[in-house]
Amino acid sequence: EDKVVQSPLSLVVHEGDTVTLNCSYEVTNFRSLLWYKQEKKAPTFLFMLTSSGIEKKSGRLSSILDKKELFSILNITATQTGDSAIYLCAGAGSYQLTFGKGTKLSVIP
Amino acid sequence: GAVVSQHPSRVICKSGTSVKIECRSLDFQATTMFWYRQFPKQSLMLMATSNEGSKATYEQGVEKDKFLINHASLTLSTLTVTSAHPEDSSFYICSAGRRGAGLSYNEQFFGPGTRLTVL
Repeated sequence: EDKVVQSPLSLVVHEGDTVTLNCSYEVTNFRSLLWYKQEKKAPTFLFMLTSSGIEKKSGRLSSILDKKELFSILNITATQTGDSAIYLCAGAGSYQLTFGKGTKLSVIP
Repeated sequence: GAVVSQHPSRVICKSGTSVKIECRSLDFQATTMFWYRQFPKQSLMLMATSNEGSKATYEQGVEKDKFLINHASLTLSTLTVTSAHPEDSSFYICSAGRRGAGLSYNEQFFGPGTRLTVL
């Protein structure tokens, strides 16, 4: 059975802090790992990672995949209150997308 | 806990036929269920939100007569793609929401998705 585990489940930081969100996965016929940010309705796509060791960056967000250790991290530097959201990671297999339970990030001024 | 299943996981059908996709929360009662469509750039588009026993709320641009949603119980929602066309081919994902114990927000748990291919 495919499994994606995120940690921590929730996190409270002050503006300006740097945070690291973790995602471990066990996915049959693994193809890629996806990160989403969920604020209101549909999760917003952040990154898709397919290759190990190659960091993807978008502004203050970055992510990397370790296919040997079956692990990915999402880093957010200089956090802002607008970063407060639930961050989801999902492992994509051949036909399935398995989501983790998410990490709820709260950034306080 | 908090497992959501979808059935079927993959379906191939001919143009013009209707396809029903089931979404079940296996070990909890879902106050709300959501249906999403995943587009090629991996973004998820919310199609509709349904609450048990009431009509689904569709997002703008989603045809409610084409994508019929039934939320018959607190553990089951179905999406029927009526008169499917090749452009309906996509990955459909459901999620089931519940109020997290001691939390001020609704937790949402995703199903594994259904790959629909319309020939």
